[in-house]
Formats: sequence, C-alpha cells, structure tokens
Amino acid sequence: SQQGEEDPQALSIQEGENATMNCSYKTSINNLQWYRQNSGRGLVHLILIRSNEREKHSGRLRVTLDTSKKSSSLLITASRAADTASYFCATASSGGSNYKLTFGKGTLLTVNP
Amino acid sequence: GAVVSQHPSWVICKSGTSVKIECRSLDFQATTMFWYRQFPKQSLMLMATSNEGSKATYEQGVEKDKFLINHASLTLSTLTVTSAHPEDSSFYICSADGPRSSYNEQFFGPGTRLTVL
Repeated sequence: SQQGEEDPQALSIQEGENATMNCSYKTSINNLQWYRQNSGRGLVHLILIRSNEREKHSGRLRVTLDTSKKSSSLLITASRAADTASYFCATASSGGSNYKLTFGKGTLLTVNP
Repeated sequence: GAVVSQHPSWVICKSGTSVKIECRSLDFQATTMFWYRQFPKQSLMLMATSNEGSKATYEQGVEKDKFLINHASLTLSTLTVTSAHPEDSSFYICSADGPRSSYNEQFFGPGTRLTVL
C-alpha cells in the first residue's frame, strides 16, 4: 500500500501567504520526514519528526504529527518565491530496517511574487 | 557536512548499452546507501538498499540483473543499468545513511538524469 500520500497535489499561493501541505500514511512509523526538491534536482532534508513528537519547528517551517490519524502537516509561513518546489513526506517504518524511507507523491508548491 | 555527490549528472546513451552511475559520500562514511528512481512528476521509488561489503537488497519488481549495485567502500556505491532501453530513462537519485548524529536522516545526491535513445 502507498505510504505518504500528500495533499494537495499542487498548491499555488502569493508571496507572503502561508502554505500548508498534508501527508497521510497507512502503517506504523518510527519517524516522518519532509523533503524539498527543486525541479530536476536532488532532495533537501527539511525536518524529521519522531513518532513520539507532536510538533516541531525549524525557522519558517512547522510540522505536526498525529499518529492516531496517521497524518502530518507541513506549514511554511510567510512564503517566498524561492520556496517554489515540490515537497515530499517520507516515512521510516517501525520494525525491521528503520532506514528505509517510503515517499509520498509530493505537493508542487508555486509561490507567485 | 554530510554531502553526497553523483556522477555523471546526466547521460544520454543508445539502447542496449550499459551505464554506470556513481554515488559518493564526500565527508562521511556511509554504511548504507540507497538508490531511487523518479519518473517525471512522480515520487521517488526505492530500488535497492546497498550495504558496504555485502549484496544489495532489491525492492520487489526491480530486476537485480538489470540494475547492478556495488558498494565497494564506505564512501562509494555504483549503479549500473545494463542493456539500457528507453523505458529505463529516468532520474536516478542516491542517498546515504547520515553520520551517527543524524539518526534516520538520509542525505541525497543531486541525481543523475538518464536518457536512453
């Protein structure tokens, strides 16, 4: 089954607005991570939240995790045109190898100047 | 710190040829490296997990004989696409298990775009 389904698939906002992306998953996880990918480039790790954490902040990023609903959200505040990219959530599952990541389909964020 | 490089960054080859892609951890030792494939506008799909000094573990549906992985040292893993065909055209990305202080965090290379004619 597909882990890490992001919602929405695409999001277009104006500079200065906040952007919220959601991620749902199906199985138990050890942690959930958010990555950013500029077009045709590699991935940049944004933030990792462990299964026993509920919220985490990093600069303009805020991530929440609700393990009862098997969902996470990524909030980017005061967005900038440079935030335009695809954002992926990835889950590291409990048991077996913790290191294997399963990626969602991603949200394409466009921030218009 | 924790930089991963890939070489080449792009390659165009003829159908039937083999292509080798290198993945290096530049400033740390990576016991485990991962290879992903990403088709346009799609997500990353894990192809295989590569451990230094042992055989790679392939995901279901990934042909071992077509995608040869060698992890000869703690800083280098290679992916060879053998007898490449147009349907193998994709963006191949590697990642490395980070330094111990970055538990569960993978560091990604910039990717290699393969185009098979």
